[in-house]
Amino acid sequence: QVQLQESGPGLVKPSETLSLTCTVSGGSFSPDYWSWIRQSPGKGLEWIGYIYYSGSTNYNPSLKTRVTISLDTSKNQFSLSLSFVTAADTAVYYCARHSQRTGDFDCWGQGTLVTVSS
Amino acid sequence: DIQMTQSPSSVSASVGDRVTITCRASQGIRGWLAWYQQKPGKAPKLLIYSASSLQSGVPSRFSGSTSGTDFTLTISSLQPEDFATYYCQQAHSFPLTFGPGTKVDVK
Repeated sequence: QVQLQESGPGLVKPSETLSLTCTVSGGSFSPDYWSWIRQSPGKGLEWIGYIYYSGSTNYNPSLKTRVTISLDTSKNQFSLSLSFVTAADTAVYYCARHSQRTGDFDCWGQGTLVTVSS
Repeated sequence: DIQMTQSPSSVSASVGDRVTITCRASQGIRGWLAWYQQKPGKAPKLLIYSASSLQSGVPSRFSGSTSGTDFTLTISSLQPEDFATYYCQQAHSFPLTFGPGTKVDVK
């Protein structure tokens, strides 16, 4: 059974880059999509983007200029980088497996709170 | 972007009650809709995919249906573990979007 676990700093300063990693255990990357989703009180659940096992990506246009999602198959990890963060980026960040067949998120990490503050 | 709305925003119910939550998309999404349950401090859990297919391991008291452009999640007999917030998500087009949630709490 696939399990996902987010890791990374819980506090990031404004204008800096938020970096998180999701470790996938109990399965391989192929042939699935791997997404990042965040949840804040003000904006609810927001899909950030996905990376396909081949390395292709698709980002939410609202964040596209600041987001990079990358893959390290040797470590069974994928990562999120969000640059020039502000307080509005404070949220719980989840990684999730995104079914290519049905478009839903069928497996989620537990989530990690990232606070943007000086 | 496709906007998702949910009604009601909250519902108070008792154990054994039938609970119905509605989700509507701002444009046609055919059957590309999923429902999730989220409890405080936990990640969302997939309940229903493709509008009406029950995810493996999810109790059969949960069901999903479609009527025109409206999608409905029904809990046939509410159990104590079902008090939570429920979200819909459209999987028709990118960016993927979620509804604002419906909180089911104790009456």
